[in-house]
Order: sequence, then C-alpha cells, then structure tokens
Amino acid sequence: GAVVSQHPSRVICKSGTSVKIECRSLDFQATTMFWYRQFPKQSLMLMATSNEGSKATYEQGVEKDKFLINHASLTLSTLTVTSAHPEDSSFYICSAVSGRDSSYEQYFGPGTRLTVT
Amino acid sequence: QKEVEQDPGPLSVPEGAIVSLNCTYSNSAFQYFMWYRQYSRKGPELLMYTYSSGNKEDGRFTAQVDKSSKYISLFIRDSQPSDSATYLCAMSAGGKLIFGQGTELSVKP
Repeated sequence: GAVVSQHPSRVICKSGTSVKIECRSLDFQATTMFWYRQFPKQSLMLMATSNEGSKATYEQGVEKDKFLINHASLTLSTLTVTSAHPEDSSFYICSAVSGRDSSYEQYFGPGTRLTVT
Repeated sequence: QKEVEQDPGPLSVPEGAIVSLNCTYSNSAFQYFMWYRQYSRKGPELLMYTYSSGNKEDGRFTAQVDKSSKYISLFIRDSQPSDSATYLCAMSAGGKLIFGQGTELSVKP
C-alpha cells in the first residue's frame, strides 16, 4: 500500500515553455502533498506544501508564480513550471501523507527529471 | 549553519562490514527523526523513524537518536551490495521534513 506515482518520469523542454508534473496517490487519499527539488549530489529541498482544496504554501525563496501548484483532489496534485529556464533543470519529487499529524508518514513518488534546453 | 548536517561521503565498505551513518542538527524542536534510502534516479524510501530519543532496531538496521547531543545515527549490520545507495537523514517539527545532504554508500562484494 501507500503508493505514489509521478508522471512523466522524465521530460525535456525548450527554454520559455511550461511543463506540468502530476503526482498521484494510488491507494490512499492524501490530505497533504509536498513538492521537493533535488539537484545532483544534493539533498531534497522542500518547495511547497499543498493541501487539497486550498492554496499551496511556498517555502522562502520559491517563486509561486513560476511554480504553480494545484491540489484539486485527494489523489492528485500538479506542479507546473512556467517559462522554464535551464536553471530549473532538476529532479522534482512529490510526497503524500494521509494523516493530518503524521509528518513522518510521507510516501514519496519516483521523481521527475526535468531538463530545460 | 545548516539545520541538518550530514557527511556526503562517498563511503565505501566491504561486504559484511558494519556501516555507521550520522547526522547532527541544530533545531531542538525536531521531534521525529527518519532515515531514507534513495537509489539513483529514484524517490526516497523510508527505512526507519524514531520519535524523540532512543534506539530502534529493524532487522540489520538500528537507528539511534541522542537529543541531548543533537545527533542521530543509522547502523547497518552485515552490509550487502544491495545496500549501496544514498542514505538521507530527515527530521520533522510541525509537519515539514528537513533533509540532510545524504551519504553515498557503496558496499563492495
């Protein structure tokens, strides 16, 4: 149980275009989803926290107009990278939790590798 | 100073060795302490978690938390080549996870 999927697993796009990444909880309802970014040989950096039906909360330094997050249902959250630039190339990972206070029960997706050319 | 510090390695050990991975932290509000394993180009997989201080054992893995020293450890006994991965510590207070940089481990047959 507790499977989280991401789509696509890998995407290459041209500079200036937008890319949407989907995160789905397959066998549970996720009240909260998190979006992380990971650069090579570096740790996961939290970008934003997404609660179903409400606006996402962004971490300091993350541009909310550039990284649009929509958590439209209890099983789906999307991250759209708008007007992507080469410096946005990274590994994007989502996680999902089902319990309100169980912060340790984050189930991670397999990640999406974004390359902006 | 980073909230969570972890030696990035890389760490190379022979098969069967005992591996010790460590993290230090500065935020005394952290209550939950986790260890994740991440294979190359994959999402992290939760290995173990502990709440507050103490030890927890699961098979070949033992997690220790010393809140007085702000220091956590993960021990892997009888290490196997399949244990080769990046190990990330993570800590939580208030619902967010703060990760260490990750230690790259290689277990040689």
